[in-house]
Amino acid sequence: DIVMTQSPDSLAVSLGERATINCKSSQSVLYSSNNKNYLAWYQQKPGQPPKLLIYWASTRASGVPDRFSGSGSGTDFTLTISSLQAEDVAVYYCHQYYTTPETFGQGTKVEIK
Amino acid sequence: QVQLQESGPGLVKPSQTLSLTCTVSGGSISSGSYYWSWIRQPAGKGLEWVGRIYTSGSTIYNPSLKSRVTMSVDTSKNQFSLNLSSVTAADTAVYYCTRSHSRVAVDYWGQGTLVTVSS
Repeated sequence: DIVMTQSPDSLAVSLGERATINCKSSQSVLYSSNNKNYLAWYQQKPGQPPKLLIYWASTRASGVPDRFSGSGSGTDFTLTISSLQAEDVAVYYCHQYYTTPETFGQGTKVEIK
Repeated sequence: QVQLQESGPGLVKPSQTLSLTCTVSGGSISSGSYYWSWIRQPAGKGLEWVGRIYTSGSTIYNPSLKSRVTMSVDTSKNQFSLNLSSVTAADTAVYYCTRSHSRVAVDYWGQGTLVTVSS
Protein backbone atom coordinates (compact mmCIF):
# COMPACT_ATOMS: atom_id res chain seq x y z
CA ASP A 1 0.00 0.00 0.00
CA ILE A 2 1.10 3.58 -0.60
CA VAL A 3 1.51 5.30 2.74
CA MET A 4 0.55 8.97 2.85
CA THR A 5 2.17 11.04 5.59
CA GLN A 6 1.03 14.57 6.31
CA SER A 7 2.84 17.25 8.27
CA PRO A 8 2.20 18.88 10.58
CA ASP A 9 -0.59 17.07 12.42
CA SER A 10 -1.99 20.46 13.41
CA LEU A 11 -1.24 24.11 12.91
CA ALA A 12 -2.57 27.41 14.15
CA VAL A 13 -2.46 30.37 11.80
CA SER A 14 -3.60 33.96 12.22
CA LEU A 15 -6.47 35.20 10.10
CA GLY A 16 -5.18 36.45 6.77
CA GLU A 17 -1.90 34.57 7.08
CA ARG A 18 -0.66 31.64 5.00
CA ALA A 19 -1.20 28.02 5.98
CA THR A 20 0.90 25.27 4.45
CA ILE A 21 0.28 21.54 4.72
CA ASN A 22 2.66 18.91 3.40
CA CYS A 23 1.91 15.42 2.17
CA LYS A 24 4.48 12.78 1.31
CA SER A 25 3.71 9.49 -0.41
CA SER A 26 5.80 6.36 0.07
CA GLN A 27 5.99 5.95 -3.71
CA SER A 28 5.39 8.15 -6.71
CA VAL A 29 1.80 8.89 -7.70
CA LEU A 30 2.83 10.40 -11.02
CA TYR A 31 1.33 8.57 -13.98
CA SER A 32 3.94 8.80 -16.71
CA SER A 33 1.58 8.34 -19.65
CA ASN A 34 -0.24 11.62 -19.00
CA ASN A 35 2.19 13.33 -16.61
CA LYS A 36 -0.54 13.70 -13.99
CA ASN A 37 -0.17 13.23 -10.27
CA TYR A 38 -3.09 11.27 -8.87
CA LEU A 39 -3.21 13.24 -5.64
CA ALA A 40 -6.25 15.02 -4.19
CA TRP A 41 -6.90 17.25 -1.20
CA TYR A 42 -10.08 17.39 0.87
CA GLN A 43 -11.42 19.67 3.58
CA GLN A 44 -13.56 18.20 6.36
CA LYS A 45 -15.49 20.30 8.84
CA PRO A 46 -16.99 18.76 12.01
CA GLY A 47 -20.06 16.65 11.35
CA GLN A 48 -19.67 16.93 7.58
CA PRO A 49 -18.28 14.68 4.87
CA PRO A 50 -15.01 15.69 3.25
CA LYS A 51 -15.17 18.17 0.40
CA LEU A 52 -12.94 17.93 -2.65
CA LEU A 53 -10.62 20.91 -2.95
CA ILE A 54 -7.85 19.88 -5.34
CA TYR A 55 -7.34 17.01 -7.78
CA TRP A 56 -4.43 16.09 -10.01
CA ALA A 57 -2.29 17.71 -7.28
CA SER A 58 -2.92 21.27 -8.45
CA THR A 59 -6.33 21.60 -10.16
CA ARG A 60 -8.96 23.33 -8.04
CA ALA A 61 -12.35 21.66 -7.96
CA SER A 62 -15.36 23.61 -9.12
CA GLY A 63 -16.35 26.43 -6.75
CA VAL A 64 -13.21 26.23 -4.59
CA PRO A 65 -11.84 29.69 -3.68
CA ASP A 66 -8.55 30.59 -5.33
CA ARG A 67 -6.87 31.06 -1.94
CA PHE A 68 -6.53 27.25 -1.98
CA SER A 69 -3.72 25.95 -4.15
CA GLY A 70 -1.92 22.65 -4.55
CA SER A 71 1.59 21.94 -5.75
CA GLY A 72 4.17 19.21 -5.95
CA SER A 73 4.92 16.14 -7.99
CA GLY A 74 6.03 12.56 -7.58
CA THR A 75 6.07 11.97 -3.84
CA ASP A 76 5.98 15.44 -2.27
CA PHE A 77 2.95 17.68 -2.27
CA THR A 78 1.73 20.86 -0.61
CA LEU A 79 -1.65 22.44 0.04
CA THR A 80 -1.48 26.17 0.61
CA ILE A 81 -4.18 28.46 1.94
CA SER A 82 -2.86 31.87 0.97
CA SER A 83 -4.94 33.96 3.36
CA LEU A 84 -6.66 31.98 6.09
CA GLN A 85 -10.32 32.75 6.66
CA ALA A 86 -12.42 31.75 9.67
CA GLU A 87 -14.40 29.32 7.54
CA ASP A 88 -11.21 27.44 6.65
CA VAL A 89 -10.96 25.92 10.13
CA ALA A 90 -11.13 22.20 9.36
CA VAL A 91 -9.16 19.01 8.98
CA TYR A 92 -7.42 18.58 5.63
CA TYR A 93 -6.59 15.23 4.05
CA CYS A 94 -4.44 14.25 1.11
CA HIS A 95 -5.48 11.21 -0.91
CA GLN A 96 -3.71 9.13 -3.53
CA TYR A 97 -5.92 7.59 -6.19
CA TYR A 98 -3.00 6.39 -8.32
CA THR A 99 -3.50 2.78 -7.31
CA THR A 100 -5.62 0.59 -5.10
CA PRO A 101 -6.01 0.42 -2.24
CA GLU A 102 -6.57 4.14 -2.32
CA THR A 103 -5.05 5.71 0.75
CA PHE A 104 -5.32 8.92 2.74
CA GLY A 105 -3.03 10.95 4.94
CA GLN A 106 -3.79 11.03 8.63
CA GLY A 107 -5.16 14.57 8.42
CA THR A 108 -3.97 18.02 9.44
CA LYS A 109 -6.09 20.15 11.73
CA VAL A 110 -6.04 23.86 10.91
CA GLU A 111 -7.06 26.33 13.62
CA ILE A 112 -7.02 30.07 14.13
CA LYS A 113 -4.19 31.47 16.23
CA GLN B 1 -26.75 18.03 -8.69
CA VAL B 2 -25.83 14.48 -7.77
CA GLN B 3 -26.75 13.40 -4.26
CA LEU B 4 -25.88 10.22 -2.39
CA GLN B 5 -27.70 8.90 0.65
CA GLU B 6 -26.64 6.00 2.84
CA SER B 7 -29.20 3.83 4.57
CA GLY B 8 -29.06 0.82 6.84
CA PRO B 9 -28.97 -0.26 10.47
CA GLY B 10 -27.06 1.95 12.86
CA LEU B 11 -26.36 -0.91 15.26
CA VAL B 12 -24.94 -4.30 14.36
CA LYS B 13 -24.02 -7.11 16.74
CA PRO B 14 -20.49 -8.53 16.76
CA SER B 15 -19.94 -11.39 14.29
CA GLN B 16 -22.96 -10.33 12.23
CA THR B 17 -23.04 -8.67 8.82
CA LEU B 18 -23.15 -4.92 8.29
CA SER B 19 -25.34 -4.02 5.31
CA LEU B 20 -25.62 -0.56 3.83
CA THR B 21 -27.23 0.81 0.69
CA CYS B 22 -26.44 4.04 -1.12
CA THR B 23 -29.13 5.67 -3.22
CA VAL B 24 -27.97 8.02 -5.94
CA SER B 25 -30.22 10.84 -7.08
CA GLY B 26 -29.82 13.70 -9.54
CA GLY B 27 -28.27 11.52 -12.19
CA SER B 28 -28.02 7.97 -13.45
CA ILE B 29 -25.57 5.71 -11.68
CA SER B 30 -24.72 4.29 -15.11
CA SER B 31 -23.83 7.55 -16.83
CA GLY B 32 -20.29 8.72 -17.32
CA SER B 33 -17.02 7.06 -16.46
CA TYR B 34 -17.63 6.95 -12.73
CA TYR B 35 -17.14 4.35 -10.09
CA TRP B 36 -18.83 4.08 -6.73
CA SER B 37 -16.98 3.60 -3.50
CA TRP B 38 -17.33 3.16 0.23
CA ILE B 39 -15.02 5.00 2.60
CA ARG B 40 -15.22 4.79 6.37
CA GLN B 41 -14.05 6.92 9.26
CA PRO B 42 -13.89 5.83 12.90
CA ALA B 43 -14.81 8.57 15.32
CA GLY B 44 -12.03 11.13 15.63
CA LYS B 45 -9.83 9.27 13.16
CA GLY B 46 -8.85 9.33 9.51
CA LEU B 47 -10.37 7.98 6.32
CA GLU B 48 -10.12 4.38 5.17
CA TRP B 49 -11.01 3.25 1.65
CA VAL B 50 -13.17 0.13 1.77
CA GLY B 51 -13.55 -0.55 -1.94
CA ARG B 52 -15.22 0.38 -5.21
CA ILE B 53 -17.69 -0.99 -7.69
CA TYR B 54 -18.26 -0.18 -11.35
CA THR B 55 -21.69 -0.29 -12.91
CA SER B 56 -20.53 -3.38 -14.79
CA GLY B 57 -20.44 -5.07 -11.39
CA SER B 58 -16.66 -5.29 -11.31
CA THR B 59 -15.20 -4.67 -7.86
CA ILE B 60 -11.94 -3.82 -6.15
CA TYR B 61 -11.70 -4.22 -2.39
CA ASN B 62 -9.20 -3.09 0.20
CA PRO B 63 -7.02 -6.18 0.87
CA SER B 64 -7.22 -5.44 4.58
CA LEU B 65 -10.97 -6.17 4.41
CA LYS B 66 -11.18 -8.25 1.26
CA SER B 67 -12.27 -11.52 2.79
CA ARG B 68 -15.21 -9.84 4.53
CA VAL B 69 -16.42 -7.30 1.93
CA THR B 70 -18.99 -7.69 -0.79
CA MET B 71 -20.32 -4.86 -2.94
CA SER B 72 -23.14 -4.93 -5.43
CA VAL B 73 -24.92 -2.51 -7.73
CA ASP B 74 -28.53 -2.26 -8.86
CA THR B 75 -28.66 0.11 -11.80
CA SER B 76 -32.45 -0.17 -12.08
CA LYS B 77 -32.77 1.33 -8.62
CA ASN B 78 -29.77 3.67 -8.93
CA GLN B 79 -28.27 2.05 -5.85
CA PHE B 80 -25.14 0.28 -4.74
CA SER B 81 -24.56 -1.67 -1.56
CA LEU B 82 -21.96 -2.79 0.94
CA ASN B 83 -21.92 -5.96 3.00
CA LEU B 84 -19.22 -6.42 5.64
CA SER B 85 -19.30 -9.76 7.42
CA SER B 86 -18.02 -10.93 10.80
CA VAL B 87 -17.92 -7.41 12.19
CA THR B 88 -16.13 -6.44 15.38
CA ALA B 89 -15.94 -3.22 17.38
CA ALA B 90 -13.09 -2.15 15.08
CA ASP B 91 -15.64 -1.80 12.27
CA THR B 92 -17.52 0.91 14.18
CA ALA B 93 -17.31 4.01 12.00
CA VAL B 94 -19.12 6.53 9.88
CA TYR B 95 -19.54 4.93 6.48
CA TYR B 96 -19.62 7.21 3.44
CA CYS B 97 -20.77 6.26 -0.02
CA THR B 98 -19.04 8.24 -2.73
CA ARG B 99 -18.76 8.88 -6.44
CA SER B 100 -15.33 8.85 -7.98
CA HIS B 101 -13.74 9.42 -11.34
CA SER B 102 -10.27 8.33 -12.29
CA ARG B 103 -9.51 11.97 -13.13
CA VAL B 104 -10.92 13.93 -10.18
CA ALA B 105 -10.91 11.37 -7.35
CA VAL B 106 -13.94 11.58 -5.03
CA ASP B 107 -16.19 14.42 -6.16
CA TYR B 108 -19.41 13.56 -4.34
CA TRP B 109 -19.92 12.17 -0.84
CA GLY B 110 -22.99 11.05 1.03
CA GLN B 111 -23.60 12.61 4.43
CA GLY B 112 -22.37 9.44 6.08
CA THR B 113 -24.05 6.97 8.39
CA LEU B 114 -22.74 5.88 11.78
CA VAL B 115 -22.63 2.14 12.26
CA THR B 116 -21.89 0.92 15.75
CA VAL B 117 -20.89 -2.66 16.40
CA SER B 118 -22.02 -3.64 19.87
CA SER B 119 -23.98 -6.35 21.61
